[in-house]
Amino acid sequence: KAGVTQTPRYLIKTRGQQVTLSCSPISGHRSVSWYQQTPGQGLQFLFEYFSETQRNKGNFPGRFSGRQFSNSRSEMNVSTLELGDSALYLCASSLATRASGNTIYFGEGSWLTVV
Amino acid sequence: ELKVEQNPLFLSMQEGKNYTIYCNYSTTSDRLYWYRQDPGKSLESLFVLLSNGAVKQEGRLMASLDTKARLSTLHITAAVHDLSATYFCAVTLTGNQFYFGTGTSLTVIP
Repeated sequence: KAGVTQTPRYLIKTRGQQVTLSCSPISGHRSVSWYQQTPGQGLQFLFEYFSETQRNKGNFPGRFSGRQFSNSRSEMNVSTLELGDSALYLCASSLATRASGNTIYFGEGSWLTVV
Repeated sequence: ELKVEQNPLFLSMQEGKNYTIYCNYSTTSDRLYWYRQDPGKSLESLFVLLSNGAVKQEGRLMASLDTKARLSTLHITAAVHDLSATYFCAVTLTGNQFYFGTGTSLTVIP
């Protein structure tokens, strides 16, 4: 059974550019959530999608957005990149919205460096 | 806002010794998760604790949950080098919005 797949794994962008990250959840999982991990702020929740609807959103500026497609694949976009956006972006998938005792499974992450 | 605190932040222990990592959270929650992260890698699920008094064990790791005290512990028994990693606890309130602790970086010394 394939795990959570994130692409690209590594990327370097310039300040002011935008970036799109992709996540394919485990087959059958309909909930996809995104997290940002940095040494200074740790792991922070960005947003969660279930059946193409955003269920929860973390405390991030509007430059961070996401969407989910009918096949449960998800993308997140960061516009007008800032140096502080350099981070590991993790995608996680789960069967249900409340995890119902099922855990969530994380992908390998996308390492974004903004220069 | 829910806050999750772990201590210690850094832990260096000798092989064969026992130690406990503590996870405190500020708001009532009925579920607590433990994850492991190796350097440059993603998060690996260790335990899901769903009720007060829940205890789960896997190998040299044992996790417990006290919802009344808002406290979870991860106990390491007879540490081995392979357990060196960063351990995170996480709590959810709604949906799959996880609030993660600061992480405990564990180094097991031969």
